[in-house]
Amino acid sequence: QKEVEQDPGPLSVPEGAIVSLNCTYSNSAFQYFMWYRQYSRKGPELLMYTYSSGNKEDGRFTAQVDKSSKYISLFIRDSQPSDSATYLCAMTGAGSYQLTFGKGTKLSVIP
Amino acid sequence: GAGVSQSPSNKVTEKGKDVELRCDPISGHTALYWYRQRLGQGLEFLIYFQGNSAPDKSGLPSDRFSAERTGESVSTLTIQRTQQEDSAVYLCASSLGGGATDTQYFGPGTRLTVL
Repeated sequence: QKEVEQDPGPLSVPEGAIVSLNCTYSNSAFQYFMWYRQYSRKGPELLMYTYSSGNKEDGRFTAQVDKSSKYISLFIRDSQPSDSATYLCAMTGAGSYQLTFGKGTKLSVIP
Repeated sequence: GAGVSQSPSNKVTEKGKDVELRCDPISGHTALYWYRQRLGQGLEFLIYFQGNSAPDKSGLPSDRFSAERTGESVSTLTIQRTQQEDSAVYLCASSLGGGATDTQYFGPGTRLTVL
């Protein structure tokens, strides 16, 4: 079993839909959880960062962490064609610099 | 300001040749990372540099891979005797410090194709 599991998709939704992206993990030492967005032929860019359990909201984006279930989610409200990208979850433990990434989910938002 | 830059953006080489990939981090960032991204796979950690400390080479897949960093600036990743399985996008990232809360900023990557 890989440390981080993420459905690679692809996921195709109509513009304006609510998108839910998820990752599960097995390492209980993970405490810091991130979502990166990667456009085609570009490097990943940090979208959301959450420490431990709970929710964090930033505009149309909401990140949720449920440590008891070892499950993290990213919700995108009112999705736009510009949200079309690959979304990568990443996580690490306290005092660590090594990020463990999921495979990424490719999202297409259709106008 | 300028972000992380990498060169070349694309590299096609023949099996058995050596290649050198370059990364220019954001000025002032003490930490530098190399990752490999194979098609359909997540990012794989390769190596980590932090200031003048000894690098963490634990992610390098074989002794054909090596990397150097000059002070807190440019880094080069060298792959000797390339194999077809080395084909991937090689991403470099830098961060202000080397902690879990320090955001890693990624370059655009070098797409390596080994024929």
